[in-house]
Amino acid sequence: GENVGLHLPTLSVQEGDNSIINCAYSNSASDYFIWYKQESGKGPQFIIDIRSNMDKRQGQRVTVLLNKTVKHLSLQIAATQPGDSAVYFCAEVPLNDYKLSFGAGTTVTVRA
Amino acid sequence: GAVVSQHPSWVICKSGTSVKIECRSLDFQATTMFWYRQFPKQSLMLMATSNEGSKATYEQGVEKDKFLINHASLTLSTLTVTSAHPEDSSFYICSARPRGEDSPLHFGNGTRLTVT
Repeated sequence: GENVGLHLPTLSVQEGDNSIINCAYSNSASDYFIWYKQESGKGPQFIIDIRSNMDKRQGQRVTVLLNKTVKHLSLQIAATQPGDSAVYFCAEVPLNDYKLSFGAGTTVTVRA
Repeated sequence: GAVVSQHPSWVICKSGTSVKIECRSLDFQATTMFWYRQFPKQSLMLMATSNEGSKATYEQGVEKDKFLINHASLTLSTLTVTSAHPEDSSFYICSARPRGEDSPLHFGNGTRLTVT
């Protein structure tokens, strides 16, 4: 995943609005992609995943889109809630490997 | 299901001492566990892959003699930070995947290490 160093991108969203979090990944051979949510002082929590043979997958209030042409992944959160405030990481996994490479992360802040 | 537990959740130690962090899969077996380090406002960086019954595989730049990993059973991996220095202060997180399952990695809640 793309690691832009010390500064984490931020996203401020009004409660009830939809959020879109973007991620650029680096390895065109990556086969599997995962979005994790990390709250302060906790470990990453699985949100949703997608295989490279798919371009869209939906979960509860979340949708992941994969564009392999431009190596781009996005996470859409519908009707964002205060509990969605966290850092969101995308992770990529190469074929036949379990190693995750994490992106830089995006800090999402939900305004009441 | 698929709970990964880390212990301790936080620890403070003096420079030069060693600290052991435990990672347990509570309701599944894991032949492979992973150790990550995360500095404030940064992403997770993979340190090493812990393999049950064999030596760990370390990522480039990670000193294997400083970060000792033992994976003695299918439910427990330990990371020992030896001769800790203040620059080792970080958030250490482990993860594991249920054996035989094609499922995402499950993460522990991390251990905050502060070296004084």
